[in-house]
Amino acid sequence: EVQLVESGGGLVQPGGSLRLSCAASGSTFSTYWMHWVRQAPGKGLVWVSRINPDGSRIDYADSVKGRFTISRDNAKNSLSLQMNSLRAEDTAEYYCASEGASCSGGSCFGHWGQGTLVTVSS
Amino acid sequence: QSVLAQPPSASGTPGQRVTISCSGSSSNIRVNYVYWYQQLPGTAPKLLIYSDNQRASGVPDRFSGSKSGTSASLAISGLRSEDEADYYCTAWDGSLSGIIFGGGTKLTVL
Repeated sequence: EVQLVESGGGLVQPGGSLRLSCAASGSTFSTYWMHWVRQAPGKGLVWVSRINPDGSRIDYADSVKGRFTISRDNAKNSLSLQMNSLRAEDTAEYYCASEGASCSGGSCFGHWGQGTLVTVSS
Repeated sequence: QSVLAQPPSASGTPGQRVTISCSGSSSNIRVNYVYWYQQLPGTAPKLLIYSDNQRASGVPDRFSGSKSGTSASLAISGLRSEDEADYYCTAWDGSLSGIIFGGGTKLTVL
């Protein structure tokens, strides 16, 4: 079973940058679509971005397109999210998620990390 | 504003059956799989239902999913106190080229 651990969250000023990381355990990382999903305090879940197993297909939500960049390193079992030009509305818990044995196809979140909090404030 | 519409709240008493709806459109639910997630207070979400009506590993058979046209539903039978959580539906949207979530339904067990 895949275990996911996020890191890199913290307090950043509007307009600033932050890089989130997600470390994955297990041998299946390189075969899974990977995602970032966020949740503003007291609000619902919002999909942010996804990347296919070999990194050749990437999609973003309109709200982050042009500001965020997702990437992966299959040799290191790691996923990253580079966030630039951050805004107050980007404040949220950011979850790393992957496919799972139960679900595949790029649209399913079979495994989740515990989340890392990003706060954008002056 | 969520593209998938869910009721903000639902409730039931122990042992009851409750249903949570998820309404979409021809660019998402009608043509793509629907997934359901449970988020217990203070924890990360967990996959409940995939591919419209398949239970994820370890999910009790009290949980079931269905889909018809542009709407989907999650049913929970034999309601238990530990089912009190937020529930979210999701699907791929071809028009938006992205994954969309419903706004979430907070289930209260009275």
